[in-house]
Amino acid sequence: EAQVTQNPRYLITVTGKKLTVTCSQNMNHEYMSWYRQDPGLGLRQIYYSMNVEVTDKGDVPEGYKVSRKEKRNFPLILESPSPNQTSLYFCASSPTGAGEQYFGPGTRLTVT
Amino acid sequence: ILNVEQSPQSLHVQEGDSTNFTCSFPSSNFYALHWYRWETAKSPEALFVMTLNGDEKKKGRISATLNTKEGYSYLYIKGSQPEDSATYLCAGFSGSARQLTFGSGTQLTVLP
Repeated sequence: EAQVTQNPRYLITVTGKKLTVTCSQNMNHEYMSWYRQDPGLGLRQIYYSMNVEVTDKGDVPEGYKVSRKEKRNFPLILESPSPNQTSLYFCASSPTGAGEQYFGPGTRLTVT
Repeated sequence: ILNVEQSPQSLHVQEGDSTNFTCSFPSSNFYALHWYRWETAKSPEALFVMTLNGDEKKKGRISATLNTKEGYSYLYIKGSQPEDSATYLCAGFSGSARQLTFGSGTQLTVLP
């Protein structure tokens, strides 16, 4: 089954404790991206990747890191999480950036 | 970065009513316009991706049009049903920035 998977689905952590949210797709898509969703603000792009080893900042990259060592995986790293990073996070993939995005199930992160 | 705006922010209609929403975006630097349907507790799912001025796409009772010269797209739902209740997101892809920018969405509630 074609899908985008994210783990964990729910995470409660404390300020400053490094965490990684994994994202994997099995559709051989070139383009992958991370979004955060906050009430009233819609989906905002954090980082995107056009291909392996190619990543670029989205609209809200501060406090996040990403890597794209393999085509299928695009982990999101929070080196020192803060409460303002409490949000719902979505990973998405697409054959091309302009094409239909396939979203993962979402990760709800709470930083206390 | 495209500035994508949607209206209205929310909408309540009766079952059987037809309705439409608007998405506006800057006509310069535009490459593609996406519509997504986002049900509560699920992930956004693509409805349409349009690139050409005058594009019209249809999926069942839902259709969309695109006017790239004036920078807007309409989403129409004919004969709304309670299962159409969701948030409808539009997103614009900028060819130069290679980013997908989402509007804040229109939340539709269809009352039985």
